[in-house]
Amino acid sequence: GAGVSQSPSNKVTEKGKDVELRCDPISGHTALYWYRQSLGQGLEFLIYFQGNSAPDKSGLPSDRFSAERTGGSVSTLTIQRTQQEDSAVYLCASSPGLAVGYEQFFGPGTRLTVL
Amino acid sequence: AQSVTQPDIHITVSEGASLELRCNYSYGATPYLFWYVQSPGQGLQLLLKYFSGDTLVQGIKGFEAEFKRSQSSFNLRKPSVHWSDAAEYFCAVGAVMNRDDKIIFGKGTRLHILP
Repeated sequence: GAGVSQSPSNKVTEKGKDVELRCDPISGHTALYWYRQSLGQGLEFLIYFQGNSAPDKSGLPSDRFSAERTGGSVSTLTIQRTQQEDSAVYLCASSPGLAVGYEQFFGPGTRLTVL
Repeated sequence: AQSVTQPDIHITVSEGASLELRCNYSYGATPYLFWYVQSPGQGLQLLLKYFSGDTLVQGIKGFEAEFKRSQSSFNLRKPSVHWSDAAEYFCAVGAVMNRDDKIIFGKGTRLHILP
């Protein structure tokens, strides 16, 4: 399809395990964003990429969180040693450029449940 | 720092009634303002955006929003809601500054429609 895709759609894991969440942006979009959506908390910005570089990692909640983007396309968000408070929906978005004037196109999200 | 406040966590209106969802922002300069909608099981979709010019902005699905600088508000309106409008609505603000060039989302307002 032509939209942003994310996988898996649902992930249930045990506390302490590592998880990888994948995002495939719209082809040609140079900017890619990760957000976390917790119940009643809105969208929490995690990190963005312009191309393969991530100028702003300030939103990552802890050093257990990391993200990379390869080839200016697919991005992976990794959470190490998951904790129950990591349970949330993780959303990915892409846009044609980084400027805040661009519309962000969102994927359907990955629902992470940490038992 | 920029911020967005959506005072209403839940709003319930009857089908056919008018709707206004409130959004207040905090930012020193003229902001970029957005409204996104998240329907159940779907990703966020842009309803409309304001950058400059006419302060009354028309969006998709019959929505409009008005930028009022004096009130630091960007309220979303619809003259007559449909059952399919039941969703969560997010207001967002973006700033064109080197260090703050990311979009900040409000915590959302969940809209319920009574038949």
